[in-house]
Amino acid sequence: QKEVEQNSGPLSVPEGAIASLNCTYSDRGSQSFFWYRQYSGKSPELIMFIYSNGDKEDGRFTAQLNKASQYVSLLIRDSQPSDSATYLCAVNKEFYAGNNRKLIWGLGTSLAVNP
Amino acid sequence: DAMVIQNPRYQVTQFGKPVTLSCSQTLNHNVMYWYQQKSSQAPKLLFHYYDKDFNNEADTPDNFQSRRPNTSFCFLDIRSPGLGDAAMYLCATSRAGSTDTQYFGPGTRLTVL
Repeated sequence: QKEVEQNSGPLSVPEGAIASLNCTYSDRGSQSFFWYRQYSGKSPELIMFIYSNGDKEDGRFTAQLNKASQYVSLLIRDSQPSDSATYLCAVNKEFYAGNNRKLIWGLGTSLAVNP
Repeated sequence: DAMVIQNPRYQVTQFGKPVTLSCSQTLNHNVMYWYQQKSSQAPKLLFHYYDKDFNNEADTPDNFQSRRPNTSFCFLDIRSPGLGDAAMYLCATSRAGSTDTQYFGPGTRLTVL
């Protein structure tokens, strides 16, 4: 079992629809969860992070976290062609005692928003 | 604006010719990371610095070295690049003790001929 799993896609949605991206993780000790957007040939760009169960909204983006079920999702409302990118899920994992943590990355889900 | 800067953006080298990639940051973050990312793959952590403390990933080849002369700068040295080292190299920073949010530079695309 991979530590962080995402469907590779491509996920194709029409413009204006809601895109739903999912991520599951294996380490119950993980505390922080991140969604990054990566355009082809560019570096990852932080979209949102979440660390409490429930929903967190930022503009058209909503992150949802369910620690009991070990999944985190990202909803994109009113999807636009400019949202077409790969979305990477990352989960923190403590590897030193104290404050030193690394991120474990999923392989990403490719999203295509069709005009 | 506070940011992470990487130079050069594109680097072409010959097989076996050493290359150095640089990263600088104005975020005053105490943790700096180097990742390697190949097409359609997740970023792969090579090593990171927690302040001056260097942490190497177990599967990072010896061919890859790093230096952090001060808080703002970090370098990635590839001593003898092979064709398999062609990739995007990403530098990221974070502030330890916070949510561990990592902020990335634009990356350096390395081509090995």
